[in-house]
Amino acid sequence: GENVEQHPSTLSVQEGDSAVIKCTYSDSASNYFPWYKQELGKRPQLIIDIRSNVGEKKDQRIAVTLNKTAKHFSLHITETQPEDSAVYFCAASSPSGSARQLTFGSGTQLTVLP
Amino acid sequence: KAGVTQTPRYLIKTRGQQVTLSCSPISGHRSVSWYQQTPGQGLQFLFEYFSETQRNKGNFPGRFSGRQFSNSRSEMNVSTLELGDSALYLCASNLAGGYTGELFFGEGSRLTVL
Repeated sequence: GENVEQHPSTLSVQEGDSAVIKCTYSDSASNYFPWYKQELGKRPQLIIDIRSNVGEKKDQRIAVTLNKTAKHFSLHITETQPEDSAVYFCAASSPSGSARQLTFGSGTQLTVLP
Repeated sequence: KAGVTQTPRYLIKTRGQQVTLSCSPISGHRSVSWYQQTPGQGLQFLFEYFSETQRNKGNFPGRFSGRQFSNSRSEMNVSTLELGDSALYLCASNLAGGYTGELFFGEGSRLTVL
């Protein structure tokens, strides 16, 4: 099955700096890569996603890049703000029998220091 | 429209007991997935149901089971509880499954096994 590794597990940045979280996946048939943000005590929510036919996608201060050859994708947050502090999860959608399965990374705790 | 609703939100059980958790998806969503969240382990996939059929299952023992009703509401059951089953159990609904679209998570059921 699919294996998704996420690094780093914790990340602290100064407010206004950029943050980068990286993930690698194992199944070359994976074709959809979402990122979820989970604030303390709240439910995970989708913040951005990318499909395998696209190399980069941007939405205001966040962007995701995908390198299919190397099987890795990254989340970039620019001009970080205190409200960006949360746990971020990457995921990959891979074939599983007749269906597909979403496999999550282990998460990155991002702390934005004022 | 109403979001994903999980009940109960908190529960405490003792080893050997069983527990049933409930999830009501967003109206019109036919796919319900269940995840176990523990510190440092991210979101571990339990199973996915679509139109009352289990479409996918993660690597959990047979003590973990689930079902989906005709109105798309889903339940998961854990029998013979162990201390290691203490976790936040999240369900997520999706319009059609297939894991190429947004998952909408509930707030979770936090299970403590003593």
